[in-house]
Amino acid sequence: DTEVTQTPKHLVMGMTNKKSLKCEQHMGHRAMYWYKQKAKKPPELMFVYSYEKLSINESVPSRFSPECPNSSLLNLHLHALQPEDSALYLCASSQATAGLPYNEQFFGPGTRLTVL
Amino acid sequence: KQEVTQIPAALSVPEGENLVLNCSFTDSAIYNLQWFRQDPGKGLTSLLLIQSSQREQTSGRLNASLDKSSGRSTLYIAASQPGDSATYLCAVPAGNTGKLIFGQGTTLQVKP
Repeated sequence: DTEVTQTPKHLVMGMTNKKSLKCEQHMGHRAMYWYKQKAKKPPELMFVYSYEKLSINESVPSRFSPECPNSSLLNLHLHALQPEDSALYLCASSQATAGLPYNEQFFGPGTRLTVL
Repeated sequence: KQEVTQIPAALSVPEGENLVLNCSFTDSAIYNLQWFRQDPGKGLTSLLLIQSSQREQTSGRLNASLDKSSGRSTLYIAASQPGDSATYLCAVPAGNTGKLIFGQGTTLQVKP
């Protein structure tokens, strides 16, 4: 199985809502990532988890809260978002052998988020 | 600070042409370089990964080359088809962090 799955595919939420994005992979990868992508721009890294521990937070506002419950799952909890947070949110995973470079990243289909 | 540039930003070709997409990076100390394809509103599909010790990688009609010394990679697409129409992104990792630095992408249109 070489697939990263994301749910939901689309999400519309108000600025006072709380919602969560989910990502799952069964490739045995120990690194998982959240990216944000605006229209006609490349993806921008938000968070990296390595061996279920947060290793990179790209100064993301606290209204985005990541969680890695186990090696196969990655969540992104959303609260009090702003309309400018509307974007495509992409999850990715890769192998991560301790002390060695991270390898090929595999991306999910994304969640299209609209904040009203 | 690593910067990745892709030229051209957009390309339109007739079906059947062979074409080359370019990617350049400022810091040659990279571990690998990855080429992706993205269809509108979709996720990224990994096309090819070239390790720093490799000169090229091939997959079907795609061939990617890497010249670290000059800070360049090219993606060669043979016998282009309308189904190849998409945005192509190249990316290099920022050191050993797992963070990918992306180029702005080349949007390819292959006309029937």
